[in-house]
Amino acid sequence: AQKVTQAQTEISVVEKEDVTLDCVYETRDTTYYLFWYKQPPSGELVFLIRRNSFDEQNEISGRYSWNFQKSTSSFNFTITASQVVDSAVYFCAFLNFGNEKLTFGTGTRLTIIP
Amino acid sequence: SQTIHQWPATLVQPVGSPLSLECTVEGTSNPNLYWYRQAAGRGLQLLFYSVGIGQISSEVPQNLSASRPQDRQFILSSKKLLLSDSGFYLCAWRMGQGTSGNTIYFGEGSWLTVV
Repeated sequence: AQKVTQAQTEISVVEKEDVTLDCVYETRDTTYYLFWYKQPPSGELVFLIRRNSFDEQNEISGRYSWNFQKSTSSFNFTITASQVVDSAVYFCAFLNFGNEKLTFGTGTRLTIIP
Repeated sequence: SQTIHQWPATLVQPVGSPLSLECTVEGTSNPNLYWYRQAAGRGLQLLFYSVGIGQISSEVPQNLSASRPQDRQFILSSKKLLLSDSGFYLCAWRMGQGTSGNTIYFGEGSWLTVV
């Protein structure tokens, strides 16, 4: 069975600092997808990124970057120059190819202090 | 572009009353549809999914049921709510085919409080 671990329950940083959210997954499958979602106080889950297991290229989107390493089964998310609007709960999730069930981590609550 | 809507946004219901949460997707056809629940202090749990009209798969035995009467409509129901049904319910969708269909998008969510 798949498992996603987000060991950091809560993180607080001062605005403009960089912060990295960790995600470690467990699977025996060779083809899968990894996701990050943002859940602001309003509650909706906002899709941020999807990575395929066969594509280990890191990705950068503005202040966001993701580091996918199959060797360590990790998919970490870094926010550079954090802003107050980044305050939210962030979820890492796993989807096995051909499956319908997203397996979520328990989430990391990020608070950016102005 | 595709959009997903669910309602009502907030619901307070007495124990034993019925429930109906509705979700619709626009801008796509034959989507896969999902209901997730996020209980307080717990993670997100898949309740039901549907790959087509009238096709419902249940992930967790519970007091709830789901139906898909139309291609882009997904309904979550209960005949008699329990206190433990309280939580945040999220509808989600993805395209039924193709690698681009492996991204799951979520609606705004519905807060249910059973009193």
